[in-house]
Amino acid sequence: EDQVTQSPEALRLQEGESSSLNCSYTVSGLRGLFWYRQDPGKGPEFLFTLYSAGEEKEKERLKATLTKKESFLHITAPKPEDSATYLCAVPTDRDDKIIFGKGTRLHILP
Amino acid sequence: DVKVTQSSRYLVKRTGEKVFLECVQDMDHENMFWYRQDPGLGLRLIYFSYDVKMKEKGDIPEGYSVSREKKERFSLILESASTNQTSMYLCASSRVEGANVLTFGAGSRLTVL
Repeated sequence: EDQVTQSPEALRLQEGESSSLNCSYTVSGLRGLFWYRQDPGKGPEFLFTLYSAGEEKEKERLKATLTKKESFLHITAPKPEDSATYLCAVPTDRDDKIIFGKGTRLHILP
Repeated sequence: DVKVTQSSRYLVKRTGEKVFLECVQDMDHENMFWYRQDPGLGLRLIYFSYDVKMKEKGDIPEGYSVSREKKERFSLILESASTNQTSMYLCASSRVEGANVLTFGAGSRLTVL
């Protein structure tokens, strides 16, 4: 069964304390892995797409990486405004449905 | 700025009422989606549409229907609302050639009493 699992469910960091969020997936033929950011009361906003193992994408303090089984979202020297829920998603093998992980709630303390 | 607009941010309805959630996108996207988001369950796909007049069931279509009469508009219908349909509903759209990148609306929070 196609599945996306994110860990941890929640993460609290001090401002400036770097860390990583994990997304593991089980679709056999990966056709892209997507990271989104969601602020409270809003819809998710697209951050990155990764297509092949070894690929990396960066945006400000965020860097996404991809292996054959998982992706990491690295957050370097985070600021309070980075606090949000980060969602990972992949298209399924069978069709073009996109399935999401349950997300990681990130809270950066000033 | 391209947008997906959901007509209602907050709705309160009573059990048994018929509920319409409207979604309009101005990006000429072919694909449109309805998700619901619940704490601990994440985003779950209700219905999606690849073209006008077309619809496909997602993972949790029971109790819902959809309508896509025009390319830019995708409506979610709850024929007889129930309390377990209290949720955040998110509409999204994407291009056929857009590598499945979704653009989401701000969401509609529905409470069924």
